[in-house]
Amino acid sequence: DAKTTQPTSMDCAEGRAANLPCNHSTISGNEYVYWYRQIHSQGPQYIIHGLKNNETNEMASLIITEDRKSSTLILPHATLRDTAVYYCIVTNGSNYKLTFGKGTLLTVNP
Amino acid sequence: DAGITQSPRHKVTETGTPVTLRCHQTENHRYMYWYRQDPGHGLRLIHYSYGVKDTDKGEVSDGYSVSRSKTEDFLLTLESATSSQTSVYFCAISEAAGGVSPLHFGNGTRLTVT
Repeated sequence: DAKTTQPTSMDCAEGRAANLPCNHSTISGNEYVYWYRQIHSQGPQYIIHGLKNNETNEMASLIITEDRKSSTLILPHATLRDTAVYYCIVTNGSNYKLTFGKGTLLTVNP
Repeated sequence: DAGITQSPRHKVTETGTPVTLRCHQTENHRYMYWYRQDPGHGLRLIHYSYGVKDTDKGEVSDGYSVSRSKTEDFLLTLESATSSQTSVYFCAISEAAGGVSPLHFGNGTRLTVT
């Protein structure tokens, strides 16, 4: 699986959009970009995933660049409950062994 | 939330004793996983299952065994617990292999080996 690079931490004001970047410059054509988050003491939570096109669901939007070498997770109106570690993962369907890196600690401030 | 129940939620045990953690799902998903999470190491895969009685090792499988006799249950056993196995253990499930469909995680079991 392609390796990902994320900032260690980010801050965001409550009510504003949170934009979390992820670099995956070695991504292959058949690899998906997944985002998970982990709120303190809880299990990781799936947020969204995509292959080539931008995706949106009730939680977030995923913007993938045209060359697929980077992506951005957007939380449109961050709340205090969005404070968590966010993991960007790149994987294809044949690999069971997903690798969770250190992720980005997003802190939403009042 | 995905129907995943881990039990027990907390356990303290002594070095050398056997311990079994249980993961129960109500989603009828084919794939099940056991991860451990430790400070500085992130989530690491211990074992996974791709069907009843079909299991395989992950990256940190030494000292652990698993069994899956029914679709809904995936058991993780520490045959003789050691202090290095003090960790938070997460079970996860997915409809297809981890990459085609997302993983859904349980809320974890905090295990302390004294």
